[in-house]
Amino acid sequence: AQKVTQAQTEISVVEKEDVTLDCVYETRDTTYYLFWYKQPPSGELVFLIRRNSFDEQNEISGRYSWNFQKSTSSFNFTITASQVVDSAVYFCALSASYDYKLSFGAGTTVTVRA
Amino acid sequence: ETGVTQSPTHLIKTRGQQVTLRCSSQSGHNTVSWYQQALGQGPQFIFQYYREEENGRGNFPPRFSGLQFPNYSSELNVNALELDDSALYLCASSLQGGSYEQYFGPGTRLTVT
Repeated sequence: AQKVTQAQTEISVVEKEDVTLDCVYETRDTTYYLFWYKQPPSGELVFLIRRNSFDEQNEISGRYSWNFQKSTSSFNFTITASQVVDSAVYFCALSASYDYKLSFGAGTTVTVRA
Repeated sequence: ETGVTQSPTHLIKTRGQQVTLRCSSQSGHNTVSWYQQALGQGPQFIFQYYREEENGRGNFPPRFSGLQFPNYSSELNVNALELDDSALYLCASSLQGGSYEQYFGPGTRLTVT
């Protein structure tokens, strides 16, 4: 069974601060995929990143960066120099390689104040 | 490239009624998944369709059913609506299976009164 835990329910920061979102996962599979999605107030889930279990390289995309640590079963997400437009709910998700579904965490609501 | 579209945007139904939600997949995608997102929670997987066949199902009762058409669009049907069925229903399309990125539509907000 897959399980994703996002312990932070809400995070509030002032614009230009950095914010890190934690994601811890549980799986018995050796091959799996991790995802982050953003859900703005409009409701549509926006795909941000997919990472497979064999690739532990950290990734940076603009102001976004991801830290994958297999040893601690974590896949954390950092927004650098946050902006008001980053305000949204962020979901971490997990899928086994043979699986057909995404298992989502409960989400972290990020509020960036001007 | 056309993204995932869903209809209707909002829907209000009465307990006991039936509802059909529709989804058009992103161009080139052959797999459609449906998720239910209750307020304040993460999406929960309902089922997935691949090439017009159900490819997997989550922990939802049989009154939740679906279809996929030859053009890969899909429908979600819910019979005998209950108050707890009130949620945002999200459709996602992908290239075969959960390991590929799933691209989500804007969702249908269903309210059951």
